[in-house]
Amino acid sequence: SQQGEEDPQALSIQEGENATMNCSYKTSINNLQWYRQNSGRGLVHLILIRSNEREKHSGRLRVTLDTSKKSSSLLITASRAADTASYFCASIQGAQKLVFGQGTRLTINP
Amino acid sequence: EPEVTQTPSHQVTQMGQEVILRCVPISNHLYFYWYRQILGQKVEFLVSFYNNEISEKSEIFDDQFSVERPDGSNFTLKIRSTKLEDSAMYFCASSEAGQPYEQYFGPGTRLTVT
Repeated sequence: SQQGEEDPQALSIQEGENATMNCSYKTSINNLQWYRQNSGRGLVHLILIRSNEREKHSGRLRVTLDTSKKSSSLLITASRAADTASYFCASIQGAQKLVFGQGTRLTINP
Repeated sequence: EPEVTQTPSHQVTQMGQEVILRCVPISNHLYFYWYRQILGQKVEFLVSFYNNEISEKSEIFDDQFSVERPDGSNFTLKIRSTKLEDSAMYFCASSEAGQPYEQYFGPGTRLTVT
């Protein structure tokens, strides 16, 4: 089954605005993670939220998790040009396998 | 801050050739992984490795692929008889004991098969 489908696929906003990306998943999870990928580069782990948590903050990032709706959102506040990247949600299936969504491509315009 | 490193950053090979992609995981990590990302597509899990053996692998990871930890620091992915469709970014990742889900990724190796 597909796990971790992000919405929207692409988002373009002005610097200083907030960016919200959503992720939906199909199977039960123990935790959900968000990663960032700059163009042509590796994946950077941003934040992990456990299934018994509803909200988590890290700097300008806020992640929410609604297990009843099987969805999560990533909010980036006061966006900066350096936030331009693709953002992926991912969850563990089985013991260790991370399953990624298609990603949201975020562009911050100066 | 410790990081996962990968070499080479870009590898071009001819169809049918064998390639070895190399990774140096973070030194105190015990779980190692390979993922790949075909251009424009999702990141896909290939294989996980723990205690010198494969612990999980995907359908993609067939007999064409193998992994090895030849010494205390390197982790390699070998692709035998490469095909055009093997062209992708290959990412190595590692994680600590007890936290297999917090995986730290390397910068990737872009493999181009011609």
